[in-house]
Amino acid sequence: QKEVEQNSGPLSVPEGAIASLNCTYSDRVSQSFFWYRQYSGKSPELIMSIYSNGDKEDGRFTAQLNKASQYVSLLIRDSQPSDSATYLCAVNSVYSGYALNFGKGTSLLVTP
Amino acid sequence: DAGVTQSPTHLIKTRGQQVTLRCSPKSGHDTVSWYQQALGQGPQFIFQYYEEEERQRGNFPDRFSGHQFPNYSSELNVNALLLGDSALYLCASSSGENPWSYGYTFGSGTRLTVV
Repeated sequence: QKEVEQNSGPLSVPEGAIASLNCTYSDRVSQSFFWYRQYSGKSPELIMSIYSNGDKEDGRFTAQLNKASQYVSLLIRDSQPSDSATYLCAVNSVYSGYALNFGKGTSLLVTP
Repeated sequence: DAGVTQSPTHLIKTRGQQVTLRCSPKSGHDTVSWYQQALGQGPQFIFQYYEEEERQRGNFPDRFSGHQFPNYSSELNVNALLLGDSALYLCASSSGENPWSYGYTFGSGTRLTVV
């Protein structure tokens, strides 16, 4: 089983700060990377997808991928209390086929 | 545009019973995947259906089975329920041959409690 690792947190940041969420993966041939946000008791919601090394920005969110170091990160700028949720990193590779391999998620708490 | 719909939202079953969960994919999607999410864990892949066939299966016992209908909707069946089957069951839909190009859209899930 190829692993996807995340710090479970909780990660606490003040409102307006930058939240940095990290994810490492063990499968070197991983190809597709996703960040999902999951509020308590709700289903995961896709925030970002990234496939190439470098940064990808969408509004307040930036995904960063470094395949050589096998990590992917998510930056949330100007964090809001409504960003408080669990953030799941998901990875797909030729070995996982059509399945997404999820990490356990990082709990983020944005304090007013 | 309807998203992924799942039913029922909550379910309580007794050990040894059987359960059927249902999923309708997002409009325009033809592929349905099922995931199990235990409390405090990430979702675990159960299987995926495409063109009414099980295309890929995760590391789950044969007690877990599924079906996809011509209208792309899907069912997940679990037989001989165990306490450890208590979880949030998520249905995810996507499109065809390259489902990870745009990520998966998840339904709101079915919370199954086995007592």
